[in-house]
Amino acid sequence: SQQGEEDPQALSIQEGENATMNCSYKTSINNLQWYRQNSGRGLVHLILIRSNEREKHSGRLRVTLDTSKKSSSLLITASRAADTASYFCATVQNTGTASKLTFGTGTRLQVTL
Amino acid sequence: DGGITQSPKYLFRKEGQNVTLSCEQNLNHDAMYWYRQDPGQGLRLIYYSQIVNDFQKGDIAEGYSVSREKKESFPLTVTSAQKNPTAFYLCASSIYSGGGNEQFFGPGTRLTVL
Repeated sequence: SQQGEEDPQALSIQEGENATMNCSYKTSINNLQWYRQNSGRGLVHLILIRSNEREKHSGRLRVTLDTSKKSSSLLITASRAADTASYFCATVQNTGTASKLTFGTGTRLQVTL
Repeated sequence: DGGITQSPKYLFRKEGQNVTLSCEQNLNHDAMYWYRQDPGQGLRLIYYSQIVNDFQKGDIAEGYSVSREKKESFPLTVTSAQKNPTAFYLCASSIYSGGGNEQFFGPGTRLTVL
């Protein structure tokens, strides 16, 4: 089963604009991670935010987490054509000895010149 | 050069055949994972291994098998019992499975059943 749902499913913006993607999940989590996937490639880890954190930054990326609403957002500022990719949120639940990632369905971002 | 590799990149299989997908890592990670991705979808966990000689079923293990005889290697066999095996398969590893650490992914194998 997929825990997270990203919104929107697809997003098209022009270079220089900001892109915001949202992720909602259903059950309590240990942490939430965002990954990027270029077409036909593996995933690359972008950022991890723990359940006791509200906001985290990494370069042009800003992630927020609202555990009361069970939602997270990923903001990419000053987007570039090279940011074109699919972005996935993944949640981690406390499962005892093993922590497994449960991925959402992803947001396809297209950045045009 | 540290990383995680998968082979082959593309694989074609006739119905009724078993095929094995390779996954190797030289990151000295304890935990390894296999995911399946269908078009326009997220990843679903097939199997994972926390340590050598140990592995557990994920959410969609039916029709698949794995082994973990070496720390570096976690091959996935897609058996003829898997009803709809055509998909993109991704292998990943992490330092250890506890604590929800970030996972490092291989480039994937695209399996097509003819």
